[in-house]
Formats: sequence, C-alpha cells, structure tokens
Amino acid sequence: EDKVVQSPLSLVVHEGDTVTLNCSYEVTNFRSLLWYKQEKKAPTFLFMLTSSGIEKKSGRLSSILDKKELFSILNITATQTGDSAVYLCAVGSMEYGNKLVFGAGTILRVKS
Amino acid sequence: DGGITQSPKYLFRKEGQNVTLSCEQNLNHDAMYWYRQDPGQGLRLIYYSQIVNDFQKGDIAEGYSVSREKKESFPLTVTSAQKNPTAFYLCASSSGQGYYRGYTFGSGTRLTVV
Repeated sequence: EDKVVQSPLSLVVHEGDTVTLNCSYEVTNFRSLLWYKQEKKAPTFLFMLTSSGIEKKSGRLSSILDKKELFSILNITATQTGDSAVYLCAVGSMEYGNKLVFGAGTILRVKS
Repeated sequence: DGGITQSPKYLFRKEGQNVTLSCEQNLNHDAMYWYRQDPGQGLRLIYYSQIVNDFQKGDIAEGYSVSREKKESFPLTVTSAQKNPTAFYLCASSSGQGYYRGYTFGSGTRLTVV
C-alpha cells in the first residue's frame, strides 16, 4: 500500500529560527513529490520535485529529494509568523495517472 | 481568472439527510478529485475522475457518490450511509496533458452534522 509519512506532526518555533520538515514515502513507480502550504482553506503549491539531489528554492523556502532513500525535506530559514500553516507532502505515481497520495501534514506555528 | 469554485463554504446537515457539495472549474482540466480532511489525518481521496462520464473510487468512497456529466463540474453527494461526515472537503483538478503540475485546489466546504 502506498504511503506518505511526515514528521514532525507539529512544531512550534520562534521567529528567525530555521526549521526542517520531513517527508518519507513508499509508492509504486514514483513520479513526483509535491509540497503544499495550507493556511486556512485551499492548499497552495510550493514545490514539485522529480529528480534526486536538485534543490528547489523560493525565497526562504527550499526543498530537496532523495529518491534512493525515499524522502524529501522542506527547509524554511529565518521563519516569520506568516509561515505558520500546515505543510502537506504528496506523492504521485505513474500507476495512477495524476492521483496524489498525501501525508498527514506538519503543523508549524511560528511565535513572535 | 481561472480557478475552482466550491460551494457552499459551510454546510450543516441533519442526520439521515443527503447533501450535495458543488465543485466547478474553468481551467479546462481533464481530471478532478474529491478529498476529505480530518484533523491529524491529512487528505484522503474519496473519488476521482480522469475524464467526463468516468470516475473511480478512492480510498474512502463508502457513503459518498459523484457524477461527472460535464468537464467543468464534479459534484459530491454525502449520503446518509456515511456515518461520520463532519469534515472539511476539498475539490481539486489537474491537467491530464503535458507536463504534470500537481493540483489546483478549491477553497473547501466545511460540513457539520447537527
């Protein structure tokens, strides 16, 4: 059975801290791994990763994929209160067309 | 602007009633999905449709039904057979062609059984 496991489940940090969120997966015929940020309602797209070892960056956020060890990390540097959200990891498989399997999410709270 | 519209935003249902959640997209996406989100459990797939007039059960389809008569629309009915329907429901769509870009999500419907 395909599964995506995120850790930690929740995290509280202070503004300015750096955080690392983890996502491990087991899926048949891996296609891609995606990170989303969910603040109140609709998740918003952050990154899509398909190749190992290539870091994707957007401002203070970055992510990298290790297809050998079957995991990805999402880093957030110099955290701000606006980074408080649920961060979702999802994996797509060639077996299922465009269907994604989601992890439970990491709840991040940044205190001022 | 292209996007996905879910309605209503909040919905209250009495036990034993069927309710229908609306999902409309104008992105010309072929595929549409319904997910349920409960605290601490992430998103779980209810139903998905890769093309008009075709849909497949997801991991938790019991107590739910869908239709896909038009490309733009993928309504979800929560039936009385669903024993614990209180949850946040998210609709999503994706392009089935070309480079795979993940999902576009609607803003969700929060369903509460009273």
